[in-house]
Amino acid sequence: IAGITQAPTSQILAAGRRMTLRCTQDMRHNAMYWYRQDLGLGLRLIHYSNTAGTTGKGEVPDGYSVSRANTDDFPLTLASAVPSQTSVYFCASSYSGKPNTGELFFGEGSRLTVL
Amino acid sequence: AQSVTQPDIHITVSEGASLELRCNYSYGATPYLFWYVQSPGQGLQLLLKYFSGDTLVQGIKGFEAEFKRSQSSFNLRKPSVHWSDAAEYFCAVGAREDDKIIFGKGTRLHILP
Repeated sequence: IAGITQAPTSQILAAGRRMTLRCTQDMRHNAMYWYRQDLGLGLRLIHYSNTAGTTGKGEVPDGYSVSRANTDDFPLTLASAVPSQTSVYFCASSYSGKPNTGELFFGEGSRLTVL
Repeated sequence: AQSVTQPDIHITVSEGASLELRCNYSYGATPYLFWYVQSPGQGLQLLLKYFSGDTLVQGIKGFEAEFKRSQSSFNLRKPSVHWSDAAEYFCAVGAREDDKIIFGKGTRLHILP
């Protein structure tokens, strides 16, 4: 049982570099999400996608972009990383297009450090 | 917009003791409410959720929560904690017309042997 797979699990990169965090799910969920988790701030929604081909902005979208070319994959790209993007990133998915009506299934996270 | 507050950053209880984690939300109508648990180094797992109906909700691992509209609260309870319950717990709220779930900042639970 795979569920949601995130890669890499951990990465250190220099400020200004481009970085893509990968997320793949095998549950055929139509909705997918990216959250970042920071100490004392809980989880904050970056971007989401209700279905393949559509994306939307969450609470903290600046500096990030996403794409949803198919049902299974939802990569998160940092075009030019900055130190404030140091965080743990979680990908999640759910059955329905509205996460507030369904259960979110989370990956195990990607720890990103920007120096 | 909806918001959620978890007043306690850390809670310490002895193994076998009862537990209550507090959650207060702000929203103009009846929200969707969730409790998630995160073990160290792991993603989040849903414990229970409230959409409508019975205000006392049963979840996994022996947890329950009660929705109290008059107090805008959704506190999580367990009658007897086990050492394996040590984790971080997140309350979350979703609006019925919104696509987003907003998470609280979390409460870290410590268990004394």
